[in-house]
Amino acid sequence: QKEVEQDPGPLSVPEGAIVSLNCTYSNSAFQYFMWYRQYSRKGPELLMYTYSSGNKEDGRFTAQVDKSSKYISLFIRDSQPSDSATYLCAMKNQAGTALIFGKGTTLSVSS
Amino acid sequence: DGGITQSPKYLFRKEGQNVTLSCEQNLNHDAMYWYRQDPGQGLRLIYYSQIVNDFQKGDIAEGYSVSREKKESFPLTVTSAQKNPTAFYLCASSMRGDEQYFGPGTRLTVT
Repeated sequence: QKEVEQDPGPLSVPEGAIVSLNCTYSNSAFQYFMWYRQYSRKGPELLMYTYSSGNKEDGRFTAQVDKSSKYISLFIRDSQPSDSATYLCAMKNQAGTALIFGKGTTLSVSS
Repeated sequence: DGGITQSPKYLFRKEGQNVTLSCEQNLNHDAMYWYRQDPGQGLRLIYYSQIVNDFQKGDIAEGYSVSREKKESFPLTVTSAQKNPTAFYLCASSMRGDEQYFGPGTRLTVT
């Protein structure tokens, strides 16, 4: 079983839809969870950063962490064509310094 | 403007040649990282450095070398020993080893 699993998609939605992106993980020691957005041929951009469990909201983006289920989510409200990108989840434990990445989900928002 | 710069954006080399990719940051971050991204593979850690003059191997260090002589700089050399060097290379940095910020990437093509 891979440490971090992420459905690669592609996921296609109409403009204005609510998007749900998810990752599951196997290592219960992971404490720090991140979501990155990557446009084609660009470096990943940090979107959300959460520590341990709970929710975090930033504008149209909400990150959720459920440590009991080893499941994290990123919700995008009122999706826009500019949200079309690959979304990568990443996580690490307290002691380690290396991030473990999911393979990314490709999202396409059509106008 | 604070950030991470990588140069060049595109790099072409013949098989058998060593090539060095540049990464510079002016964020005053202590830790720096090198990742490789291949289609459908996600990001894989090559090397990382938490402090000047010290670095550790990541998951796929074979065929690569690094140096960390200055806090701001973390160049990566892709040697002729690397069997499949064609990839998108990403440099990142972080202050405390938690959230990482990425540069724009260098696309290396070896023929």
